[in-house]
Amino acid sequence: GQNIDQPTEMTATEGAIVQINCTYQTSGFNGLFWYQQHAGEAPTFLSYNVLDGLEEKGRFSSFLSRSKGYSYLLLKELQMKDSASYLCAVVDSNYQLIWGAGTKLIIKP
Amino acid sequence: GAVVSQHPSRVICKSGTSVKIECRSLDFQATTMFWYRQFPKKSLMLMATSNEGSKATYEQGVEKDKFLINHASLTLSTLTVTSAHPEDSSFYICSADTSDPYEQYFGPGTRLTVT
Repeated sequence: GQNIDQPTEMTATEGAIVQINCTYQTSGFNGLFWYQQHAGEAPTFLSYNVLDGLEEKGRFSSFLSRSKGYSYLLLKELQMKDSASYLCAVVDSNYQLIWGAGTKLIIKP
Repeated sequence: GAVVSQHPSRVICKSGTSVKIECRSLDFQATTMFWYRQFPKKSLMLMATSNEGSKATYEQGVEKDKFLINHASLTLSTLTVTSAHPEDSSFYICSADTSDPYEQYFGPGTRLTVT
């Protein structure tokens, strides 16, 4: 079967750095998305990785290793507004989205 | 975990025809269901929110007469794209949530191609 694993919840301190991991086993791979979702709102696109390596975009970076079936989202200089759920989703060989359950990130002062 | 399914997963239709997409919560009753549209490498765009037995609430700019939503039961919502045009070609994703505790589960999406 197809599976996406990410931690259920993480806690970090304002100003610190946090890494949210995502591991996947899917039938084929055509890219991986990271989304941020605040409660009651639609998910917001953060990144899309299809090649191995690190992509940096401001305070957020996303890393992909296709051979390991692994990605992480790195958030630097954490702000209180970064408290949200972070969703990992993989596009499989049929171009279907396989969603992780999301990681709830709690930022403390 | 909870599962949301969509059917069909992929559909190709001719311009001017209508297409119905089903969204089902398989092992739970959904308080609310949401329909999204995804453009390549972009955020999911919320189209509408629907509650069972009531009219859907459409986001600004979404034509309710073109994108018909029927939320017939606590486990089924349908999106019908009427008189489809090539610009309606997109990836449509539904999600369903539960109220206590609040969780939101996404479907695998339906890829619509209008020729």
